[in-house]
Amino acid sequence: KQEVTQIPAALSVPEGENLVLNCSFTDSAIYNLQWFRQDPGKGLTSLLLIQSSQREQTSGRLNASLDKSSGRSTLYIAASQPGDSATYLCAPGDSGNTPLVFGKGTRLSVIA
Amino acid sequence: DAGVTQSPTHLIKTRGQQVTLRCSPKSGHDTVSWYQQALGQGPQFIFQYYEEEERQRGNFPDRFSGHQFPNYSSELNVNALLLGDSALYLCASSSGQNYGYTFGSGTRLTVV
Repeated sequence: KQEVTQIPAALSVPEGENLVLNCSFTDSAIYNLQWFRQDPGKGLTSLLLIQSSQREQTSGRLNASLDKSSGRSTLYIAASQPGDSATYLCAPGDSGNTPLVFGKGTRLSVIA
Repeated sequence: DAGVTQSPTHLIKTRGQQVTLRCSPKSGHDTVSWYQQALGQGPQFIFQYYEEEERQRGNFPDRFSGHQFPNYSSELNVNALLLGDSALYLCASSSGQNYGYTFGSGTRLTVV
């Protein structure tokens, strides 16, 4: 059974800092891994999707890496802004039709 | 291109009542998954529908049931509501495992 852990649980940084969010998962037999952002009380917005054959994906100031064999992914946010404040969730997609499994996420606060 | 649409956005029900939540998937998606998210927790998988059949189910009681229509839209029904059913209910659509999931904005259910 897939289990997902995200560290740290919460993070507060001053504006402009570069930061790294960590995601670990127990079953490395995955098709892909998706990073999401969730604002309070809202739905999930997909940020990046990394296929199992890829090592990393980039979108603007975001870069996600995947080390499938070690069961780890990191989300790097460059030059953080107050608008980046949200909860970030990672979800590995297992093979077949198994649905996404989530951890509790990392709650990020970027202070102006 | 419309994403995933959920209705209603907010709902207040009394213990013991029944509720129906609705979801229209993203255009081109044929699979719908439902998740329950309690405050401060990651989303928990309820069930997934494909070709109008329940394909996967999480650890939720039979009070939670669903349906998928020929146009791929879906409903989540919860009977005999409990206070503990108060949560954000998220619908996600997908089409094949390698293309990621798209989530709706959620329905906030409050049971009083």
